[in-house]
Amino acid sequence: GQSLEQPSEVTAVEGAIVQINCTYQTSGFYGLSWYQQHDGGAPTFLSYNALDGLEETGRFSSFLSRSDSYGYLLLQELQMKDSASYFCAVRDRNTGGFKTIFGAGTRLFVKA
Amino acid sequence: EAGVAQSPRYKIIEKRQSVAFWCNPISGHATLYWYQQILGQGPKLLIQFQNNGVVDDSQLPKDRFSAERLKGVDSTLKIQPAKLEDSAVYLCASREQGGTEAFFGQGTRLTVV
Repeated sequence: GQSLEQPSEVTAVEGAIVQINCTYQTSGFYGLSWYQQHDGGAPTFLSYNALDGLEETGRFSSFLSRSDSYGYLLLQELQMKDSASYFCAVRDRNTGGFKTIFGAGTRLFVKA
Repeated sequence: EAGVAQSPRYKIIEKRQSVAFWCNPISGHATLYWYQQILGQGPKLLIQFQNNGVVDDSQLPKDRFSAERLKGVDSTLKIQPAKLEDSAVYLCASREQGGTEAFFGQGTRLTVV
């Protein structure tokens, strides 16, 4: 089976930097994605890492270490609108193909 | 480009009743997912289609849930009979062949009373 662990809540102030960690266990790891979801909204894609290292997209960066089964999402210059839930998701390869399994999510509160 | 369309947006039913949800994925997307998201939790994969074939349905409660994707385009998810614990948002997502990003619809919020 697959399992993912991420903190349930993180609080930070506007303008700060926050890091959301994700550790995973899966037999057919292929890649790690991050999604953002505002209350009442649909999850939206932020980033995808298949190889070790850092991927940067504007204020958001995502890191992966396959050997450590670990990744993180880094949010810089936090804004109030970044208050949302953030999910790491493992893309897992099985006999039938690929499937995407989500973690429980980290709720980010950005304070003024 | 039109996004993933789902209907209805909201549904309230009594336990033991039946309900069906509809999803129209982004045109050309071969992979379609149905997820169940209970309040405060992450999306849980119920079933994944590749075109009109099932890739994974290991977490689908098959005694009450069923899904189909005829002609490899639209999909329906049915619950019969519904239980109180089925109250959740049902999310449909699609992905293009070889793509890394899944695009989600706005979901159907189901309340079972």
